[in-house]
Amino acid sequence: EPEVTQTPSHQVTQMGQEVILRCVPISNHLYFYWYRQILGQKVEFLVSFYNNEISEKSEIFDDQFSVERPDGSNFTLKIRSTKLEDSAMYFCASSITGTGGYEQYFGPGTRLTVT
Amino acid sequence: QKEVEQDPGPLSVPEGAIVSLNCTYSNSAFQYFMWYRQYSRKGPELLMYTYSSGNKEDGRFTAQVDKSSKYISLFIRDSQPSDSATYLCGAGGTSYGKLTFGQGTILTVHP
Repeated sequence: EPEVTQTPSHQVTQMGQEVILRCVPISNHLYFYWYRQILGQKVEFLVSFYNNEISEKSEIFDDQFSVERPDGSNFTLKIRSTKLEDSAMYFCASSITGTGGYEQYFGPGTRLTVT
Repeated sequence: QKEVEQDPGPLSVPEGAIVSLNCTYSNSAFQYFMWYRQYSRKGPELLMYTYSSGNKEDGRFTAQVDKSSKYISLFIRDSQPSDSATYLCGAGGTSYGKLTFGQGTILTVHP
């Protein structure tokens, strides 16, 4: 069964450093998303991406964040200068369409720890 | 007012019980609703997807949506210890696929 994969599973970085989290969405999906979950809190939407453009972003997704689909399979989230409060689980998700088949399938997540 | 509200529990039931999990939402623009199961420190696993009002059944799971009361439910029949997890309800439809989640309900099914 196709699944979303994410690497690395755990990333430790120092405050102020740049990190790139990687995702491989399900191959025939066209919409891609990043969410985050701070420990003990709810899953929060960060950004949606379609046709090589950001479709929507939340207020969390400020200038420190960027997303990219560098090739036909990968989808990345970059945090330019990490802060302590960026420590969270980051989930990538994908769906076939954004306005029809809404089912979003999530990856296993990357646990980001900022020290 | 939170857009999606969910009682965090915890909820503890004996094996074989029928479990009822519920969420309420405030945004009338939500059109589709999903239930996810999340094991500790893992990614959410899609269980059920419902578009608009009505019921949907899949094996031991039944999802209900009542848009008139802005209430969504997930029923688990013949619950098993392996069902022990956090259950997340999510709602969307206001924009390009953004899902808004509830807090999650922690469920424990004991043998």
